[in-house]
Amino acid sequence: SQKIEQNSEALNIQEGKTATLTCNYTNYSPAYLQWYRQDPGRGPVFLLLIRENEKEKRKERLKVTFDTTLKQSLFHITASQPADSATYLCALSGSARQLTFGSGTQLTVLP
Amino acid sequence: DTGVSQDPRHKITKRGQNVTFRCDPISEHNRLYWYRQTLGQGPEFLTYFQNEAQLEKSRLLSDRFSAERPKGSFSTLEIQRTEQGDSAMYLCASSWRQGGDEKLFFGSGTQLSVL
Repeated sequence: SQKIEQNSEALNIQEGKTATLTCNYTNYSPAYLQWYRQDPGRGPVFLLLIRENEKEKRKERLKVTFDTTLKQSLFHITASQPADSATYLCALSGSARQLTFGSGTQLTVLP
Repeated sequence: DTGVSQDPRHKITKRGQNVTFRCDPISEHNRLYWYRQTLGQGPEFLTYFQNEAQLEKSRLLSDRFSAERPKGSFSTLEIQRTEQGDSAMYLCASSWRQGGDEKLFFGSGTQLSVL
């Protein structure tokens, strides 16, 4: 069956460090993969999209990699700040037309 | 505010009652999605519309759930005979599909509590 797995534990890091979140998937051949940020009590907010033929994408302090052989995406936040604390969701487009989301990783950046 | 709007933000109801939620998407978007999210989980797809046509429904969407999008504008999600297991955040999202890519714009959700 199709499965999307993100870091099972919450991630705590010190301000200024790089946060690295993982998204692994099985039984998908996604055309693209997306990352969203979600704050408590709010809907997810789109951050980045990376296509299956792209290895890496950057946006300001954010970097996403996509390895279709390993079936894994890594999401990096460099020079992290307390304001980056949130839950980060990866989402894949599969055989169905809609996006399927992972369960998310809760990131806390400590001052 | 030109984002996705959902109403109400919170709804408390008793088991067995019917509830209806409304979503106003971004006006130029042709697709509208409903997702459900429980604590500690990611959003789970329920259904989506392209314009006024409901194109796909999840197996999660039992016959107690119905969604409409009259005239391809706002959408409503109704849950009949609510059960405690229906307690969740109901999220609406809209998009404008360009080529193969599609990114979703979410509303803030309706938090449903069934007592």
